[in-house]
Amino acid sequence: AQSVAQPEDQVNVAEGNPLTVKCTYSVSGNPYLFWYVQYPNRGLQFLLKYITGDNLVKGSYGFEAEFNKSQTSFHLKKPSALVSDSALYFCAVRLYSSASKIIFGSGTRLSIRP
Amino acid sequence: DSGVTQTPKHLITATGQRVTLRCSPRSGDLSVYWYQQSLDQGLQFLIQYYNGEERAKGNILERFSAQQFPDLHSELNLSSLELGDSALYFCASSVRDRNSPLHFGNGTRLTVT
Repeated sequence: AQSVAQPEDQVNVAEGNPLTVKCTYSVSGNPYLFWYVQYPNRGLQFLLKYITGDNLVKGSYGFEAEFNKSQTSFHLKKPSALVSDSALYFCAVRLYSSASKIIFGSGTRLSIRP
Repeated sequence: DSGVTQTPKHLITATGQRVTLRCSPRSGDLSVYWYQQSLDQGLQFLIQYYNGEERAKGNILERFSAQQFPDLHSELNLSSLELGDSALYFCASSVRDRNSPLHFGNGTRLTVT
């Protein structure tokens, strides 16, 4: 079965420290990978995507993500966390074989303490 | 601002009733997706339309239905409402390209009492 896993329900980080939000996927074919962020009472906002090419992609608000094909992972990272980064983060896969099929992970709540 | 408009923002209704949620996609986007998000839960894909035609179906109950109109706006109809239908309902739109992200509206919060 095709799936996206975010193994951590919650990640707690001190402000100024680096952060990582994990995502692994299990799909057939080449996936297109996305990260979204959701602030309270708002819809999801697109952060960044990996389609092909450089394994390290940069996105909005200083976030970046590293694609690792052998480990089927696409972890979200930021070198220095801000309190304003506190939100719910979703990893998603859009399958190459079907533009309609988009699989979301279960979400990870990121909490940055001052 | 994502460019996706959802109305109403909040809806409170009683069990057994029927409601209609509306979504206007971003200008130029032909695909519309509907998702349900329960409290502290992930996103449950309901249904997708492309240029007026149904393209994919997810975990959508038979009590729920949707359509996309010629002007590309979409409506999600929920009937015989139950307490468990209380949730945030999101609409998202996209161009057809596989490498394009979804653009989400701010959702409709449905409360069934």
